[in-house]
Amino acid sequence: QVQLQESGPGLVKPSETLSLTCTVSGGSVSSGSYYWSWIRQPPGKGLEWIGYIYYSGSTNYNPSLKSRVTISVDTSKNQFSLKLSSVTAADTAVYYCAREPLMGATTRWFDPWGQGTLVTVSS
Amino acid sequence: EIVLTQSPATLSLSPGERATLSCRASQSVSSYLAWYQQKPGQAPRLLIYDASNRATGIPARFSGSGSGTDFTLTISSLEPEDFAVYYCQQRSNWPAITFGQGTRLEIK
Repeated sequence: QVQLQESGPGLVKPSETLSLTCTVSGGSVSSGSYYWSWIRQPPGKGLEWIGYIYYSGSTNYNPSLKSRVTISVDTSKNQFSLKLSSVTAADTAVYYCAREPLMGATTRWFDPWGQGTLVTVSS
Repeated sequence: EIVLTQSPATLSLSPGERATLSCRASQSVSSYLAWYQQKPGQAPRLLIYDASNRATGIPARFSGSGSGTDFTLTISSLEPEDFAVYYCQQRSNWPAITFGQGTRLEIK
């Protein structure tokens, strides 16, 4: 069964760029049947979708983060990545990667999720 | 933006009781609603998709219902492992997506 695993620095300084990678095992990011997303959750708070990427490189981002987010895919490594620039303390959160099954022309849910990785923004 | 409002914020019940969690959308999301369970220190797990379909491996005591703006997640008889936070999520107006704020199900 497919598994997703996030990796990257757990501590980022304010104004710098947060960079995370999601490695997919048991499945392929090149599959045309899925979108691949990033979602975050500040400590003790709810869930916020950041954006998704398709194997072709097509992306879509949450409008509230769009100016600072870049999601990319590396099919040769079976990975996709997140970059979030100009971070502040408000970006401190657990970051999850997740798969979205394509149902017709849209996706409607996330399954499975990675275990998540805590990123703290602090000097 | 479609807003999802979950109620109650906290639900206190005992094992063996029936739990009823609500999710209300600010406008119709058709049946494009999912439910997730999140335990402390874990990622959310998909329970229900398209309002009423159980995800693979989800016990039959979990059921979802509703359409349009009002949805319900029901746990027929609570097991100790069911005490967690539950989130609803919609993606009816592709590609926008929103989550509810969560309902905490705690042991009474």
